[in-house]
Amino acid sequence: GDSVTQMEGPVTLSEEAFLTINCTYTATGYPSLFWYVQYPGEGLQLLLKATKADDKGSNKGFEATYRKETTSFHLEKGSVQVSDSAVYFCALGSNNNDMRFGAGTRLTVKP
Amino acid sequence: NAGVMQNPRHLVRRRGQEARLRCSPMKGHSHVYWYRQLPEEGLKFMVYLQKENIIDESGMPKERFSAEFPKEGPSILRIQQVVRGDSAAYFCASSPGLAGGQEQFFGPGTRLTVL
Repeated sequence: GDSVTQMEGPVTLSEEAFLTINCTYTATGYPSLFWYVQYPGEGLQLLLKATKADDKGSNKGFEATYRKETTSFHLEKGSVQVSDSAVYFCALGSNNNDMRFGAGTRLTVKP
Repeated sequence: NAGVMQNPRHLVRRRGQEARLRCSPMKGHSHVYWYRQLPEEGLKFMVYLQKENIIDESGMPKERFSAEFPKEGPSILRIQQVVRGDSAAYFCASSPGLAGGQEQFFGPGTRLTVL
């Protein structure tokens, strides 16, 4: 069945460092891909999404490109801030409204 | 337009009691999903419901857990005879139910503590 595998972490970076969190997927058909962010004590919020191959989702300085050839949707940010400290989830949404989440990657950014 | 509402936000139960968690989806959304997040772990799918129907309950334990989404009112996740291992954050999400891998909108969660 459809599934998502993401880098588990935890990841610890210094402020202004470059961030990459890897995410790969397995799916039949043509899923949509998402990154969600969960701040401490809160629910998940959509960070960005891409609905078809070669689409790039972007928000708040984060970017991810839907790569069909490598079945990947890696999350990147050029310069992280302390306020980016959170857990990041990669997710795959299929046509039957099912959504599969990765295990989550905890990011800690130190000043 | 209010987001997904969950209540209570925090729930404390003793072993053997029942826990009822409520979820009101976003206005216009007819699909509801429940997830469980254990401390320091990822999000585990439990059940997917449409109004009056359970579409997929493959992630829900067979014993003690049940879910419903009645024609009127919120979706309810019910846990009977709770045990310490049920302590977790339970998140509800909703979507409009259109095909094509639509985004799910999450509530703030209910944090269940079993003493």
